[in-house]
Amino acid sequence: DIQMTQSPSSLSASVGDRVTITCQASQDISNYLNWYQQKPGKAPKLLIYDASNLETGVPSRFSGSGSGTDFTFTISSLQPEDIATYYCQQYDNLPRTFGQGTKVEIK
Amino acid sequence: QVQLVQSGAEVKKPGASVKVSCKASGYTFTSYGISWVRQAPGQGLEWMGWISAYNGNTNYAQKLQGRVTMTTDTSTSTAYMELRSLRSDDTAVYYCARGPLGGDHDYWGQGTLVTVSS
Repeated sequence: DIQMTQSPSSLSASVGDRVTITCQASQDISNYLNWYQQKPGKAPKLLIYDASNLETGVPSRFSGSGSGTDFTFTISSLQPEDIATYYCQQYDNLPRTFGQGTKVEIK
Repeated sequence: QVQLVQSGAEVKKPGASVKVSCKASGYTFTSYGISWVRQAPGQGLEWMGWISAYNGNTNYAQKLQGRVTMTTDTSTSTAYMELRSLRSDDTAVYYCARGPLGGDHDYWGQGTLVTVSS
């Protein structure tokens, strides 16, 4: 199975800060990577697909980049409503695997 | 609008089976597959498998092979996930999500809590 390693596991930042989360795959997955946002008690929400494409309706402060084994997810200006856990997921190989999640909090 | 509506919470004893439903609306059911993803309390997301609503082809996570069966009923646009021989570590919220086998999940159900307890 492909292992997806996210870092950090949690972070605390101020409103307006730039926030960066990394996701490393245990082998080359090209750009077959999604990013999801999950708020407490809610289902995950797709934010980024194919590593860098913004899902329709998602604010432009969210972005993704990378290919191969190293990927980055960025919130350009953190907003209070962005408090959530963020997951990367690869779909290059079966089984589909998720990172362990990054919990984002407001300082 | 696209909606996936799941069945309600279940409490089961160890060794029993559970069948969770996911009723789709707002799109052509057979044009997309359905994945099932679960989340144990306080834990991350685990992909369980996928079914094509077009032809019923399935792909299951190896760790669940033999215990899980995914099916669809195209007449009611409903997907089902049955998990057998339940154990306490199967306690989780189970989600269905629309999408291809190789791609993103753009719509998700609200989740179904399955509690396994004696």
